Amino acid sequence: DTGVSQNPRHKITKRGQNVTFRCDPISEHNRLYWYRQTLGQGPEFLTYFQNEAQLEKSRLLSDRFSAERPKGSFSTLEIQRTEQGDSAMYLCASSLGNRDEQYFGPGTRLTVT
Amino acid sequence: ELKVEQNPLFLSMQEGKNYTIYCNYSTTSDRLYWYRQDPGKSLESLFVLLSNGAVKQEGRLMASLDTKARLSTLHITAAVHDLSATYFCAVDTSGATNKLIFGTGTLLAVQP
Repeated sequence: DTGVSQNPRHKITKRGQNVTFRCDPISEHNRLYWYRQTLGQGPEFLTYFQNEAQLEKSRLLSDRFSAERPKGSFSTLEIQRTEQGDSAMYLCASSLGNRDEQYFGPGTRLTVT
Repeated sequence: ELKVEQNPLFLSMQEGKNYTIYCNYSTTSDRLYWYRQDPGKSLESLFVLLSNGAVKQEGRLMASLDTKARLSTLHITAAVHDLSATYFCAVDTSGATNKLIFGTGTLLAVQP
């Protein structure tokens, strides 16, 4: 069984462009989480899916951010009109069910120039 | 709102020495995680502490949890250079989401 995978691993984009990241959770994991980590800080929760339903969104998730998990499998996180403040590591994690350990992917490092 | 504080934020220590990293959190939780992160990398799970009084050890690292004091510790014994990394504690918020709230991290630099 492979772990959580994320693509791309690195993304450099110009301010104002749109970017999309993909996360493939561990198979059969019902829960999927997105976190954001800026330099020198701990990861911060962005949003969470139970199967295909997005059940919670952080206040950090502005209107420019949208996440989906069609069919309850992989998830995408899109950022529209990127800003320099969006530069961060975006981490995806999945867990089997309620109160189970979350397993983190390798992350996507976004740099907005 | 749950807050998680770690101290120290930065720790420079010599090889062979012992030290402890502290993780305090502000509201009740019975589940705490410790992670290691190397520069530019993702999180590596070290310990999962599931109940009051839990103690786990792996190599030179030992973690404990006191839910009544809302305190977890990560003790380093006879540090070696390979332990240099940033260490995070994270508290499970319970409830329906079980999102993790992370501490600020402790940057550990072990000097030869």
